[in-house]
Amino acid sequence: SQQGEEDPQALSIQEGENATMNCSYKTSINNLQWYRQNSGRGLVHLILIRSNEREKHSGRLRVTLDTSKKSSSLLITASRAADTASYFCATDDGGTASKLTFGTGTRLQVTL
Amino acid sequence: EAQVTQNPRYLITVTGKKLTVTCSQNMNHEYMSWYRQDPGLGLRQIYYSMNVEVTDKGDVPEGYKVSRKEKRNFPLILESPSPNQTSLYFCASSLVTSGGPIYNEQFFGPGTRLTVL
Repeated sequence: SQQGEEDPQALSIQEGENATMNCSYKTSINNLQWYRQNSGRGLVHLILIRSNEREKHSGRLRVTLDTSKKSSSLLITASRAADTASYFCATDDGGTASKLTFGTGTRLQVTL
Repeated sequence: EAQVTQNPRYLITVTGKKLTVTCSQNMNHEYMSWYRQDPGLGLRQIYYSMNVEVTDKGDVPEGYKVSRKEKRNFPLILESPSPNQTSLYFCASSLVTSGGPIYNEQFFGPGTRLTVL
């Protein structure tokens, strides 16, 4: 079963705009990670946020985590055409700490 | 260069013909795992391994086997492939620190696109 579910499924914006995508999950977690996948290629790790953190930044990325709502958001500021990709959240199940479950992803299209 | 490699990258085969997809990492990672990616379903974990000779089932293990005889290698074996195993397969690895591998960045291979006719 899917632990993380991203929203929206697809997002189209123009270069320079901000992109926000959301992830909701069902059970308690230890941490949440975001990954990027360029079409048909391997996933690349973007950022990890622990359950006791509320916000984290990395370059143009800002991730928030609300454990009370079981949700996270990924904000990409000043988007570029090169940000065009699918973005996935991944969570553990809060217990075994040995398995990550990925959502179905948000497809981001950044146009010039 | 730190990386996870997979071979082959593309494979077309027929139902019932045993095949192996290899995965190797050069980062001395303890944890390795296999995922399959299908449209609309995201990534689903097939098997994972916490260390040499330690493997466990993920969410969709049916029809697959794995082995972990060496730390760097984690091959995925399809003994009798069927068309519903047509998919894009990814191998990943990570360190295991206190708390477990899910506290660490997962490094993914480039993927193997498998078609079973």
